[in-house]
Amino acid sequence: SQQGEEDPQALSIQEGENATMNCSYKTSINNLQWYRQNSGRGLVHLILIRSNEREKHSGRLRVTLDTSKKSSSLLITASRAADTASYFCATDARSWGKLQFGAGTQVVVTP
Amino acid sequence: ETGVTQSPTHLIKTRGQQVTLRCSSQSGHNTVSWYQQALGQGPQFIFQYYREEENGRGNFPPRFSGLQFPNYSSELNVNALELDDSALYLCASSSDLAGGRDTQYFGPGTRLTVL
Repeated sequence: SQQGEEDPQALSIQEGENATMNCSYKTSINNLQWYRQNSGRGLVHLILIRSNEREKHSGRLRVTLDTSKKSSSLLITASRAADTASYFCATDARSWGKLQFGAGTQVVVTP
Repeated sequence: ETGVTQSPTHLIKTRGQQVTLRCSSQSGHNTVSWYQQALGQGPQFIFQYYREEENGRGNFPPRFSGLQFPNYSSELNVNALELDDSALYLCASSSDLAGGRDTQYFGPGTRLTVL
């Protein structure tokens, strides 16, 4: 069973626009992570936010975490065609690296 | 590139057969986790190996087994293959010596097709 659920399932935007996707989860966590996957290949780690953090930035990425609502959001600003990928949130209950993933958001960025 | 390698890249097997997938962890990493990703879904945690011992298991039957070697590379073995075992199998490595095992570094995966 999946711990997290991403919303929307799919997102289509034009280059330069911002992309926002959300993740909800069910049980308490130690940290939440976002990963990117291109065309069914390996996952690339994007950003990790701990349960005592509310917001984190990395380049064009902004992640928020609301533990009271058990939800997180990932914002990609000024999107590029190279951002076309599936994005997954993953929760880690004890920081032991046993991740529970959602089903992902498929993002398509058109030039 | 994460430095995590997996072999083979693709594999086709017949129902009932056995398969072994291999993973070389990133240099310095002592923990390897395996995930199964069915088409259109997120990865599901199979199990984790830490310093050659199984360190947690997801909701997978005993015909999924693994090993970790002294050099921290790992194998995933699946016996009595079923059609539903068709998936992308991902391994991820991490280290408890570099700030914790939080961040997982994934390999490119092995695509298994069971006919």
